[in-house]
Amino acid sequence: AQKVTQAQTEISVVEKEDVTLDCVYETRDTTYYLFWYKQPPSGELVFLIRRNSFDEQNEISGRYSWNFQKSTSSFNFTITASQVVDSAVYFCALRHDTRLTQGGSEKLVFGKGTKLTVNP
Amino acid sequence: DAGITQSPRHKVTETGTPVTLRCHQTENHRYMYWYRQDPGHGLRLIHYSYGVKDTDKGEVSDGYSVSRSKTEDFLLTLESATSSQTSVYFCATGVATAYEQYFGPGTRLTVT
Repeated sequence: AQKVTQAQTEISVVEKEDVTLDCVYETRDTTYYLFWYKQPPSGELVFLIRRNSFDEQNEISGRYSWNFQKSTSSFNFTITASQVVDSAVYFCALRHDTRLTQGGSEKLVFGKGTKLTVNP
Repeated sequence: DAGITQSPRHKVTETGTPVTLRCHQTENHRYMYWYRQDPGHGLRLIHYSYGVKDTDKGEVSDGYSVSRSKTEDFLLTLESATSSQTSVYFCATGVATAYEQYFGPGTRLTVT
């Protein structure tokens, strides 16, 4: 079964601290895609990054970085020098394609999210 | 930003009444999705569409139906609303299934 686990329900840090949000996934697919989304207190969902299973290079975008390790089925997200504006719920998601195995639908499976609070 | 709007943004309705939520996109994305978000469950897929008049069920489709008569519009209908359908509903669109989805602002539905 496809599954995404975000074991950290809530994290609280002080501004300027580095923080890592964990994401562990399960899939039988050889080709799959991983995503991170941010949901700030205003409620909208903002796309942050997409990674396919063939590309294990780490990605850095400003203060954000992502560490993808197939060996441990993890796709962790690190915020360096956190800021109050980073306070949000962060979701990791896995896209798998069941059309070949189950002859039908496909879905984006979300973890339950990690609520990050950055205090001034 | 995929130019996605949802209407209404907030709705309170009574048990047993029909409710239709609308999602409208201006980006000509082929794929459209309806999710619900509930505390402790994250986001769960209700239905999705892979083209005009082409729809399929997600993991929590019972009690919901959808229609897509135009590329830009995807309707979610609760035929007879129940209190368990109180939730925040998000519409999303995507260019292709392997790519990211872009989400609308959400609709908060309360069934009393």
